[in-house]
Amino acid sequence: GEDVEQSLFLSVREGDSSVINCTYTDSSSTYLYWYKQEPGAGLQLLTYIFSNMDMKQDQRLTVLLNKKDKHLSLRIADTQTGDSAIYFCAGGATNKLIFGTGTLLAVQP
Amino acid sequence: EPEVTQTPSHQVTQMGQEVILRCVPISNHLYFYWYRQILGQKVEFLVSFYNNEISEKSEIFDDQFSVERPDGSNFTLKIRSTKLEDSAMYFCASSRGTLEAFFGQGTRLTVV
Repeated sequence: GEDVEQSLFLSVREGDSSVINCTYTDSSSTYLYWYKQEPGAGLQLLTYIFSNMDMKQDQRLTVLLNKKDKHLSLRIADTQTGDSAIYFCAGGATNKLIFGTGTLLAVQP
Repeated sequence: EPEVTQTPSHQVTQMGQEVILRCVPISNHLYFYWYRQILGQKVEFLVSFYNNEISEKSEIFDDQFSVERPDGSNFTLKIRSTKLEDSAMYFCASSRGTLEAFFGQGTRLTVV
């Protein structure tokens, strides 16, 4: 069935770039999303990319999509302590999103 | 900025009891969803709702679950007879179209 996988943990120093990776199995996913979850909060939509795009940039965020390898990444430039959170990738062709396990990003000052 | 709001933030209920989780979606949105996240597991899709009917549901969404939009603003998830394994964080979401679903902060349901 459909599956989305992410590494569980990433630690970076403040000011460095963070790259969070995601792989997915469902090639029919039309859109791929990145959500952020801070402690005690809901899922905040960060950005999304259409499956026929390779890259999307939005301020400090860059999304790269390798459709051949079914690999999605989120790069956060100049990572700040406020970026510490769990980051989920999710994909879907309909209203139903399949979420990854989430990657805990820890930013060290 | 408009947001999806959910109440209560935490609900404790006894096994076998009925619970209703409430959500107020963003006002001009047309699609509504429920997801859940059991502690330590992935966020899982439960159901989507459009035009006053269920448009898609997962295997999890069995006869114990129901959704309703009782008025123009609320969207509810009812669990008729709760089980221990229903303990989870339940997220409501809404979207204007089929993109960009915005999520609420979640209701933590604890079944004892």
